[in-house]
Amino acid sequence: AQKITQTQPGMFVQEKEAVTLDCTYDTSDQSYGLFWYKQPSSGEMIFLIYQGSYDEQNATEGRYSLNFQKARKSANLVISASQLGDSAMYFCAMREALLLSSGNTGKLIFGQGTTLQVKP
Amino acid sequence: DGGITQSPKYLFRKEGQNVTLSCEQNLNHDAMYWYRQDPGQGLRLIYYSQIVNDFQKGDIAEGYSVSREKKESFPLTVTSAQKNPTAFYLCASSIDRRSREQYFGPGTRLTVT
Repeated sequence: AQKITQTQPGMFVQEKEAVTLDCTYDTSDQSYGLFWYKQPSSGEMIFLIYQGSYDEQNATEGRYSLNFQKARKSANLVISASQLGDSAMYFCAMREALLLSSGNTGKLIFGQGTTLQVKP
Repeated sequence: DGGITQSPKYLFRKEGQNVTLSCEQNLNHDAMYWYRQDPGQGLRLIYYSQIVNDFQKGDIAEGYSVSREKKESFPLTVTSAQKNPTAFYLCASSIDRRSREQYFGPGTRLTVT
C-alpha cells in the first residue's frame, strides 16, 4: 500500500536560514509523482513543488527545492532563506500510478504534515 | 478570475442533520475531489469524480454522498450517518485524473454539536 511518512511534527528555523523538511514514501509503482503543499493557518492548500519519479534532476521552484533520493524513497523539501511568511504546515503527498489505467483515480495520498515556525 | 470556491467557510449544524457543502470551479476541469482533514492530520479522500454524472468512493466515503450533475459543481452532503463529521473539508480539481496538479479550494470548516 502507498504511504507517506513525515516524522517531524514541528520544526523551528531562524529567519534567513535554510530548513529541510523530511518525507519518505512507500510505493510499489514505478511511475508516481511527489508533491509538497503549504497550508497556512487560513487553511488553503498551496502547491509548492512537484517531482516525477522519472525526473533525473531535483525539482526547484524559487526558494523551494526537492531533494529526491529514489533509492531511499525520500523526497525532502528544502526551503532556503526562510521568511516569516513561511510559517505554516507543510504536507508531502504522492499521487498513485501515473500510467493511464482504469484504476488510476488521480488521488493524492498525504503525510501527517510538519508545522514549521520561522523565528525572527 | 479562475479558481475553486467553497461555501460557506464556517458551518455549524446540530447532530442528526444532513448538511451540504458547496464546491464550484470555473477552471473547466474534468476531475474533482473531496478531502477531509482532521486536526493535525493530513488529508483523506472522501469521493472523487472524473467526469460529469460519474463519481467514485474514496477511502472514507461512509456517511457522505455526492453528485456531479454539472462539470463545474461537486457538492458534498454530510449525512447523519457520518459518526464524526466535525472536520475541515477541502475540495480540489484537476484537468483530468492524469494531470500533475490539483488545485484546492479554501475549505469549509464544519462543526457538528
